[in-house]
Amino acid sequence: GAGVSQSPRYKVAKRGQDVALRCDPISGHVSLFWYQQALGQGPEFLTYFQNEAQLDKSGLPSDRFFAERPEGSVSTLKIQRTQQEDSAVYLCASGPRENTEAFFGQGTRLTVV
Amino acid sequence: AQTVTQSQPEMSVQEAETVTLSCTYDTSESNYYLFWYKQPPSRQMILVIRQEAYKQQNATENRFSVNFQKAAKSFSLKISDSQLGDTAMYFCAFMTQGAQKLVFGQGTRLTINP
Repeated sequence: GAGVSQSPRYKVAKRGQDVALRCDPISGHVSLFWYQQALGQGPEFLTYFQNEAQLDKSGLPSDRFFAERPEGSVSTLKIQRTQQEDSAVYLCASGPRENTEAFFGQGTRLTVV
Repeated sequence: AQTVTQSQPEMSVQEAETVTLSCTYDTSESNYYLFWYKQPPSRQMILVIRQEAYKQQNATENRFSVNFQKAAKSFSLKISDSQLGDTAMYFCAFMTQGAQKLVFGQGTRLTINP
């Protein structure tokens, strides 16, 4: 595909529900990132993959957040037992190699009610 | 910890004017990268310009240029001949060579008026 694709674009979840957010990076990109962007704020780092290896998960806010990239391509961010404070835009980005700019998707807006 | 500060929450200029967005950062690292990203209402972050810290020459991309002052840890973005399509949130971001993750500022909402 031409760019990073994220699905769904919008997700409404009831508090306590589990959600899964999908990211299709640009083909061939080694690096993949997840960021969380609260309303009116800058994105905050969640986790980083190099191919299938999760090299940094220091930004995951709690053990309810889990990310995977099993074959080094598509990635899924899973949030268990969602809470209202999880409401945000979740951005995925990919990069062709280390130390390069990241190309972002359009994000998934998660609203927990 | 690295931090990025954008001191201007909002700015507004007339079309065709020049505008400068401010950004300062704090780090003890010597090898790093700086970026400006644009985020229109569609939410997609679009790279505007990138600067490697080891390069003394300021980066330029068409109407966009930066003023990189390494000693002062300042990285401002200048937009010349501003256009209506430049209206967006602008984020300054920082990345160390080893960490890979971007650290973003709080953003500046820029409005270009006709």
